[in-house]
Amino acid sequence: AQSVTQLGSHVSVSEGALVLLRCNYSSSVPPYLFWYVQYPNQGLQLLLKYTSAATLVKGINGFEAEFKKSETSFHLTKPSAHMSDAAEYFCAVTSSEAGTALIFGKGTTLSVSS
Amino acid sequence: GAVVSQHPSWVICKSGTSVKIECRSLDFQATTMFWYRQFPKQSLMLMATSNEGSKATYEQGVEKDKFLINHASLTLSTLTVTSAHPEDSSFYICSADKQRMNTEAFFGQGTRLTVV
Repeated sequence: AQSVTQLGSHVSVSEGALVLLRCNYSSSVPPYLFWYVQYPNQGLQLLLKYTSAATLVKGINGFEAEFKKSETSFHLTKPSAHMSDAAEYFCAVTSSEAGTALIFGKGTTLSVSS
Repeated sequence: GAVVSQHPSWVICKSGTSVKIECRSLDFQATTMFWYRQFPKQSLMLMATSNEGSKATYEQGVEKDKFLINHASLTLSTLTVTSAHPEDSSFYICSADKQRMNTEAFFGQGTRLTVV
């Protein structure tokens, strides 16, 4: 079975500050891990994904995440927050066996203040 | 690119009626499509997996007679909410696999269903 835990349902940062959104996973098989962003009343946009290649993954809009097997973590970071980064972020897990049937975390709302 | 389109984006219906939501892959063939449901300020929950030409596989707790899924072609899956009730009001999102590239799901923009 697989699961994802996102620590912190709401994160607030100032514009220009570091963004850190936490995600821990549980998986009995090698995981594929994803970060998605969702704006109000819209679908999901893929930020980045880990599929067993490089452990440091760079995505769109300046985001990156590092897969740490020893810590079962896949935290999302961005060096400098922009106002446009304010949105809901979801971490998700699947496996090669499960295809792209994703198990999502509960989501983290990122607020950015000026 | 890989574009998935959902229609309609918004729908309001009366209790007891049925609503059909379409999910189309516009520029690729999707062997598998997935349907998710998202309650306000909550995460997405997988409802069912839809494979072209075969019956959908429903997750535990999802009523297959209420949420009818049809995947008649490699570019179209439909979700029909039958005899809708206010508690069915939710945000429904589909995603699709590209053939032979099942490391990324491509999501539709979602459908907001309100049952009054």
